[in-house]
Amino acid sequence: TQLLEQSPQFLSIQEGENLTVYCNSSSVFSSLQWYRQEPGEGPVLLVTVVTGGEVKKLKRLTFQFGDARKDSSLHITAAQPGDTGLYLCAGYNAGNNRKLIWGLGTSLAVNP
Amino acid sequence: GAGVSQSPSNKVTEKGKDVELRCDPISGHTALYWYRQSLGQGLEFLIYFQGNSAPDKSGLPSDRFSAERTGGSVSTLTIQRTQQEDSAVYLCASSSGTGESYGYTFGSGTRLTVV
Repeated sequence: TQLLEQSPQFLSIQEGENLTVYCNSSSVFSSLQWYRQEPGEGPVLLVTVVTGGEVKKLKRLTFQFGDARKDSSLHITAAQPGDTGLYLCAGYNAGNNRKLIWGLGTSLAVNP
Repeated sequence: GAGVSQSPSNKVTEKGKDVELRCDPISGHTALYWYRQSLGQGLEFLIYFQGNSAPDKSGLPSDRFSAERTGGSVSTLTIQRTQQEDSAVYLCASSSGTGESYGYTFGSGTRLTVV
């Protein structure tokens, strides 16, 4: 069974701090996606990484796909209260009947 | 419409009643997914439709759960004889294809409460 483990499970920080959350697996994925979910809403896609070692930046968010395509990280610089939410990673592997495998998420709270 | 639409947004039902949850995907999206999410938890896969292929029902927790997708567009998730453990947010998502570069667009969900 392919699993994606996310850490930490919960994170509470002050506005302006930096943070990194992780998404790890023992399996290789063709791509990794990151989503953010706010209360009362569905997850919203932030980024897709498809190449081992790839780094993508989205304003203050930096996403990295591991060289072996088994893990990914999300780094947020100078966190703001608007970054608060549940961050979910999802891996794609054609062997899973072409559907995503989801981690359980990191719940981030950024306090003003 | 511009996004994935789900209705109702909230549903309270009595234990033992049947419920139907509706999902309108983005027009032209060939793949449609149903997930369940309990409070503060990750996503539990339920069922997946892709074009005219037989649906992937591998995530349905029991035979009380079923889903249809009519005309390759609107989908209905039906839960028969609801139980309290069915209380959760039911999320629908669609995508324009399946493959490593295709992301999902989610609706806002239906919050189901079984009392």
